[in-house]
Amino acid sequence: EAGVAQSPRYKIIEKRQSVAFWCNPISGHATLYWYQQILGQGPKLLIQFQNNGVVDDSQLPKDRFSAERLKGVDSTLKIQPAKLEDSAVYLCASSFQGSDGYTFGSGTRLTVV
Amino acid sequence: AQSVTQPDIHITVSEGASLELRCNYSYGATPYLFWYVQSPGQGLQLLLKYFSGDTLVQGIKGFEAEFKRSQSSFNLRKPSVHWSDAAEYFCAVAPHNNAGNMLTFGGGTRLMVKP
Repeated sequence: EAGVAQSPRYKIIEKRQSVAFWCNPISGHATLYWYQQILGQGPKLLIQFQNNGVVDDSQLPKDRFSAERLKGVDSTLKIQPAKLEDSAVYLCASSFQGSDGYTFGSGTRLTVV
Repeated sequence: AQSVTQPDIHITVSEGASLELRCNYSYGATPYLFWYVQSPGQGLQLLLKYFSGDTLVQGIKGFEAEFKRSQSSFNLRKPSVHWSDAAEYFCAVAPHNNAGNMLTFGGGTRLMVKP
């Protein structure tokens, strides 16, 4: 089966610019997650979708981050405006049933300068 | 709130030597437990998981982990390390509920393998 697809792989932007990341989960996976992984740390959950509804976005900095999954399939994560501390790898993951474990994409490495 | 601690930030072992990576968790009940591996520039790959039953879990690439409830630990082991095992290893937990089982990760342990 095809894995979780993410694009772009790398992005460099200046602070205060905006950026968007895209994720296409494994076909049939109802649950989609966005994680932020700062260098040297473990991934931290930003937002979780079940189909096209938000299950948990308690750790999403909503003043600058937004995410959507309009048709319950692919998803976009946006940052506007970006700050230096947003430099990280943004990982998307999906699962068919939450307890089966996730499949992660390769991530998007964001550098804010 | 649940938390995961990986006490060792870096570990260096010689190729062929045995390996144990430590993981301790804090959670009100027994959570689901996972170990992931991340090679440079790659996403996270699931090594193994524990949900219930036998406390010794076998995974891919020759890894195993043992759940010890009394110690709130889920340590990862491999009897003989290969150079290709050099990577970062993350322990993670997810709660036993129906809310989607979001993962909480530890800070990771970077494994280096000496020839």
